[in-house]
Amino acid sequence: EAEVAQSPRYKITEKSQAVAFWCDPISGHATLYWYRQILGQGPELLVQFQDESVVDDSQLPKDRFSAERLKGVDSTLKIQPAELGDSAMYLCASSSMPREWDEQFFGPGTRLTVL
Amino acid sequence: GQQVMQIPQYQHVQEGEDFTTYCNSSTTLSNIQWYKQRPGGHPVFLIQLVKSGEVKKQKRLTFQFGEAKKNSSLHITATQTTDVGTYFCAGNAGNMLTFGGGTRLMVKP
Repeated sequence: EAEVAQSPRYKITEKSQAVAFWCDPISGHATLYWYRQILGQGPELLVQFQDESVVDDSQLPKDRFSAERLKGVDSTLKIQPAELGDSAMYLCASSSMPREWDEQFFGPGTRLTVL
Repeated sequence: GQQVMQIPQYQHVQEGEDFTTYCNSSTTLSNIQWYKQRPGGHPVFLIQLVKSGEVKKQKRLTFQFGEAKKNSSLHITATQTTDVGTYFCAGNAGNMLTFGGGTRLMVKP
């Protein structure tokens, strides 16, 4: 069964350092999402891509976070510089249609710890 | 902005007891999705409800969408230890999907 791939699974970094996460969606899925999930809370959308275009990044802290999906397939989320409050699980999800009408398939996530 | 609240935050049940989680939105929703996240896992899609008053069943799970399309519920009949996890609703309003805080279900064997 096709799955969303993410790496690394775990990342420990010191504050002010740069970190990057990678996501490879299910083949053929045009829509890709990055979420942040703080322990004990629901996922919070950071950015949504439709192919290579950003369609929603209203919740992305653009002063330190950036995301790209250059060829409309895999995607990278970067944080620079990392802050203590960025410690969370970063989930990538994909769907074959825009989010309003289709289920999302989540990857295993990257757990970030900022020291 | 849109807010989606879930209650209760936690629920302990004895195996065999029923369980219900409730989801309430501050705005009218176009549809609502439910996801389950096992401990240490990632959210997995369960179902989507679209119509006002819609009821859907999956084995022991019953999902309802309110008449006003602002609330929803998930009911599990005769819980099993395999039901352990956090259940999230996610509401769509105005082209925006918002997850609730989740209800964590713990089942005592």
